[in-house]
Amino acid sequence: DTAVSQTPKYLVTQMGNDKSIKCEQNLGHDTMYWYKQDSKKFLKIMFSYNNKELIINETVPNRFSPKSPDKAHLNLHINSLELGDSAVYFCASSQDYSNQPQHFGDGTRLSIL
Amino acid sequence: DAKTTQPPSMDCAEGRAANLPCNHSTISGNEYVYWYRQIHSQGPQYIIHGLKNNETNEMASLIITEDRKSSTLILPHATLRDTAVYYCIVRLRDDKIIFGKGTRLHILP
Repeated sequence: DTAVSQTPKYLVTQMGNDKSIKCEQNLGHDTMYWYKQDSKKFLKIMFSYNNKELIINETVPNRFSPKSPDKAHLNLHINSLELGDSAVYFCASSQDYSNQPQHFGDGTRLSIL
Repeated sequence: DAKTTQPPSMDCAEGRAANLPCNHSTISGNEYVYWYRQIHSQGPQYIIHGLKNNETNEMASLIITEDRKSSTLILPHATLRDTAVYYCIVRLRDDKIIFGKGTRLHILP
């Protein structure tokens, strides 16, 4: 069973569109994250939620809006997609927001045409 | 910015021990050392972490120097599947993870 699963795996869309990426974890963890890995392979945190509450928001444009309907899900909605949004987005989870290792999904490759 | 310095790439022969160094000379007393790796096109994978003592698990060993300014990740018997980018990270207990550029490890057959 996949611990952290993201859908879709690939997303190709036009500039200006709105899209969502879904993430689910079945590990019973309290904390979930979204990371962005750009073309230069730098991996940067975007958001973190602990028990459905936002605890990290790393200077991400307002076009990105995370939503956590419950502890097991953290979805990422992106409005008015831009060329610079092309990247691989990784979801992760950890038992809590302390000294616990993070478990990552396999990523969603977003390509903006 | 990442607080660690790692060599950009390393080679290791299959079956030998892979020793990956990491410099974290500005580490504070309550910051942990974490290691993750990213195999091509996959999400990062947690390997091991430690504070002061050396640590070992089923994947690797972590050796932290007494002054804590550097550490070494040891993969005891490297296989081709260990080819990946290895990230050394220092973080406070409740702080975010900041990934640097990592070390690209090539396992040679």
